[in-house]
Amino acid sequence: AQKITQTQPGMFVQEKEAVTLDCTYDTSDPSYGLFWYKQPSSGEMIFLIYQGSYDQQNATEGRYSLNFQKARKSANLVISASQLGDSAMYFCAIPARAGNNRKLIWGLGTSLAVNP
Amino acid sequence: DTEVTQTPKHLVMGMTNKKSLKCEQHMGHRAMYWYKQKAKKPPELMFVYSYEKLSINESVPSRFSPECPNSSLLNLHLHALQPEDSALYLCASSQGVDSSYEQYFGPGTRLTVT
Repeated sequence: AQKITQTQPGMFVQEKEAVTLDCTYDTSDPSYGLFWYKQPSSGEMIFLIYQGSYDQQNATEGRYSLNFQKARKSANLVISASQLGDSAMYFCAIPARAGNNRKLIWGLGTSLAVNP
Repeated sequence: DTEVTQTPKHLVMGMTNKKSLKCEQHMGHRAMYWYKQKAKKPPELMFVYSYEKLSINESVPSRFSPECPNSSLLNLHLHALQPEDSALYLCASSQGVDSSYEQYFGPGTRLTVT
């Protein structure tokens, strides 16, 4: 069965510095992918970045990048040049089989606070 | 346009009321989802519709009744709710239910059951 672990309940970072949010996973699927989502206090869940297990290069989207290490089963999110607006909950998620369908299995999240 | 809209933004209802949550997307997505989220917890999947057919029901109590009138709309009908049902209800959509498709979420409805 798929499992996602986010070991950092809360993180602090100074504005303009980089921060790494940890995510480890366990899956029996030979082909899989990892998603990262951001949820500000307003509540909306925002898709940030995705990487498939067969992608050769780590995914990047603007200031977000995925540090995907399959051997360690980790897919850490790196946010460069942190901004005050990055303060939010961050969730890592992996698809899991649900009968003939798939659903996302979510980590417990990491609360990031960016200090001015 | 990656917008999913949800109405209402806030809802307060008594345990004997009947109300509905609405969700709409115009991205041509064929999969739509309802999630329930408690404070500081990850979202919990409730229902998935694929091509307007219910494909996943996560053993949700019958006081929650989903409806997908067409490919752009998703409703969640509420009846005889309990105070513990108070939560943020999020709607999402994706191109399909394939594992590589990202889900786009609406802003949510904050529901309070009194």
